Amino acid sequence: DAGVTQSPTHLIKTRGQQVTLRCSPKSGHDTVSWYQQALGQGPQFIFQYYEEEERQRGNFPDRFSGHQFPNYSSELNVNALLLGDSALYLCASSLGYRGYGYTFGSGTRLTVV
Amino acid sequence: GQQVMQIPQYQHVQEGEDFTTYCNSSTTLSNIQWYKQRPGGHPVFLIQLVKSGEVKKQKRLTFQFGEAKKNSSLHITATQTTDVGTYFCAGGTGNQFYFGTGTSLTVIP
Repeated sequence: DAGVTQSPTHLIKTRGQQVTLRCSPKSGHDTVSWYQQALGQGPQFIFQYYEEEERQRGNFPDRFSGHQFPNYSSELNVNALLLGDSALYLCASSLGYRGYGYTFGSGTRLTVV
Repeated sequence: GQQVMQIPQYQHVQEGEDFTTYCNSSTTLSNIQWYKQRPGGHPVFLIQLVKSGEVKKQKRLTFQFGEAKKNSSLHITATQTTDVGTYFCAGGTGNQFYFGTGTSLTVIP
């Protein structure tokens, strides 16, 4: 039973560039949530996708956008990268948007230089 | 906005000692989850509490949800070196979960 898969695992981008991160949820899960985790901090909620729609959004600017595909996989896009966007980006899946517990992927470590 | 705070931020204990981390929310929660994140790893789901005053146990771990559903605690009895990591609570309101600031546990053998 596959867990949550994220790609790439590491990424280095230049300030001002755009980046796309990908997530495949755990088999049987239909909801994907994205979190940003800065070093030494707790994960911060970016947004959640269910039934291919953004259901909830945290306090992140419009530079952060996403998408969910019919197979439940998801993408996180960040435009006009800032140095402060450097963080571990975590994808978490669940069954239903009120699912019991999230299964997290190993994350994508984004470094903006 | 929603805030979930945890104390302490760091805790060093001798192996065999007990450990407790506390989680406090600025607003009433519908439920609370606890996660463990090992150094360099990702959060791993431990448990979810839903009912006011609920207490759940997993071997040496005891989880409590406050009567007012605004606070929670995780207690580990007789810590082991395998307990090392950062413990996060995540308070749920509707279908969003707000993670706490985490408590980093170091166990000294």
